[in-house]
Amino acid sequence: AQKITQTQPGMFVQEKEAVTLDCTYDTSDPSYGLFWYKQPSSGEMIFLIYQGSYDQQNATEGRYSLNFQKARKSANLVISASQLGDSAMYFCAMREGLNTGNQFYFGTGTSLTVIP
Amino acid sequence: DVKVTQSSRYLVKRTGEKVFLECVQDMDHENMFWYRQDPGLGLRLIYFSYDVKMKEKGDIPEGYSVSREKKERFSLILESASTNQTSMYLCASSLYPPLARVSGEAFFGQGTRLTVV
Repeated sequence: AQKITQTQPGMFVQEKEAVTLDCTYDTSDPSYGLFWYKQPSSGEMIFLIYQGSYDQQNATEGRYSLNFQKARKSANLVISASQLGDSAMYFCAMREGLNTGNQFYFGTGTSLTVIP
Repeated sequence: DVKVTQSSRYLVKRTGEKVFLECVQDMDHENMFWYRQDPGLGLRLIYFSYDVKMKEKGDIPEGYSVSREKKERFSLILESASTNQTSMYLCASSLYPPLARVSGEAFFGQGTRLTVV
């Protein structure tokens, strides 16, 4: 089974509107972390936001917020007031457990295009 | 700022060549990773290392090997390059999680776009 599922290969949003990028995850470990990364056309991976499995509140970082629904194993990224510079690939990732060496699992990504 | 540096941005190699991709990080991170990124497939883990001389296979290790002789350097080796190894290769590093949290995001290099002809 896929550890991370992103079901939206491509999304379009009007500039200044909000957009939600979907992410579901699969784990039986009670302790895990969820991450979102942005990859512009230049190729670098930019860390956006983190949510821990024990965190009581949804994470927020500026215009980014993470809609964490633990029972549904969902960790959607919400981008408010979209800007042209938000056009990029977005990857959801998860890291399990407390042991050293645990890997990051990535989804297949969502390509977001912001329309002027 | 954490810096992860990959030795080449673009590489073109011939089929059958032995290829070395180098990655260096400057933040004393224990964990280092090599991913391969292909359209529609996302990032797939090739190998990771959680300490010097320690390595673990990821999801797609076939045709690759790695070396970690020093903490800051993690090398990916294509023993005999093939055209199906044409891809973007991303190196990353991170702290290992402290006991209370699993935070510690991965920091990525700029990527190496490898073409095997």
